[in-house]
Amino acid sequence: KAGVTQTPRYLIKTRGQQVTLSCSPISGHRSVSWYQQTPGQGLQFLFEYFSETQRNKGNFPGRFSGRQFSNSRSEMNVSTLELGDSALYLCASSPGHPNTEAFFGQGTRLTVV
Amino acid sequence: GENVEQHPSTLSVQEGDSAVIKCTYSDSASNYFPWYKQELGKRPQLIIDIRSNVGEKKDQRIAVTLNKTAKHFSLHITETQPEDSAVYFCAASPLLTGNQFYFGTGTSLTVIP
Repeated sequence: KAGVTQTPRYLIKTRGQQVTLSCSPISGHRSVSWYQQTPGQGLQFLFEYFSETQRNKGNFPGRFSGRQFSNSRSEMNVSTLELGDSALYLCASSPGHPNTEAFFGQGTRLTVV
Repeated sequence: GENVEQHPSTLSVQEGDSAVIKCTYSDSASNYFPWYKQELGKRPQLIIDIRSNVGEKKDQRIAVTLNKTAKHFSLHITETQPEDSAVYFCAASPLLTGNQFYFGTGTSLTVIP
């Protein structure tokens, strides 16, 4: 079974730009969650999508948004990038039942300059 | 919302010794507690998890204990090996629907050969 795939692996963007990150979950998994990882902050929850609907949302500004397609693939968008958005963005897929193991992708390293 | 604290932030042990990492959580509704291991430059991977109806779980050299009354849970690694060197994250999940993990800030474990 293929694992969770995130593209691209690395991105460099300029302040004010927007960016779209992609996540393909494990086949059969219907839940995709997104996390922001920064040094000293650990992993912080952004949002979770299940069956094309946002099921849960963390405490991030509206510049961070996402969506999920019918094949469970998910995208995350960040608009009006700020320097503080530089981080590793991880997505995690799970079957969909509450509180089950989440499998992480390799992440997308976003650098905002 | 849920708040997870993790200690220590760094831990060095001699090969063959035991390592213990402790986490506390605040939301009594949390009922699923996974532990993830993240090696440098790699994705977080689940190493063990425990649910609130269980007090202890073991998997070879790794064990997790949960004290619901005190709201804390711990990871125990026995007979540590150099390949155990990594950052370990605890997490708690309080939701009845969905997968939303609140992570601790991580423990960097170094096993000295």
